[in-house]
Amino acid sequence: TQLLEQSPQFLSIQEGENLTVYCNSSSVFSSLQWYRQEPGEGPVLLVTVVTGGEVKKLKRLTFQFGDARKDSSLHITAAQTGDTGLYLCAARKSGGYQKVTFGIGTKLQVIP
Amino acid sequence: EAGVTQFPSHSVIEKGQTVTLRCDPISGHDNLYWYRRVMGKEIKFLLHFVKESKQDESGMPNNRFLAERTGGTYSTLKVQPAELEDSGVYFCASSVKGPPGEQYFGPGTRLTVT
Repeated sequence: TQLLEQSPQFLSIQEGENLTVYCNSSSVFSSLQWYRQEPGEGPVLLVTVVTGGEVKKLKRLTFQFGDARKDSSLHITAAQTGDTGLYLCAARKSGGYQKVTFGIGTKLQVIP
Repeated sequence: EAGVTQFPSHSVIEKGQTVTLRCDPISGHDNLYWYRRVMGKEIKFLLHFVKESKQDESGMPNNRFLAERTGGTYSTLKVQPAELEDSGVYFCASSVKGPPGEQYFGPGTRLTVT
């Protein structure tokens, strides 16, 4: 059983469409991060959210942390082919030193 | 500024052999992490160094895995003897601050055990 459930695992959309991917858990987290990974490279951090209900925007990407700090979403507006990649969420539980846990990722393909 | 580098990029070895993976973190980053992604599964934490000390090694699969960071600079991860289930992509990451400080990942080493 994965601590972080990401959905969908695969998504193929046309350029210009909007999309939302989700990262859900039954655990409460002190912080949650979204990464983007391209083939042959390591994950690259996009954003860190720490406060329940927090919303952060990065150009066409909007990240939201759930009020209860158990889930998060990533919304992309007007997707571009350059958005293609693997989107990973990673979180750390509350309380003392906690190692980071990753979700399995959402593989996004944006078709021109 | 150079990013995190890992060597080799690919390694194919036979079951029972030994392999050593190397990670060079970003200069000045005291925190160094090893992760592994097995095909079809999520990236999993292996261990965390602060300088040359192991802060957390709870993710190491078993005693066939040995990580070192002599002098607090580069790190090595040795697998001896390798088993089929050790195949996967091994990532190294480094950061200035400890968790949840931003971690910079290397490109990974793809290990295949046949």
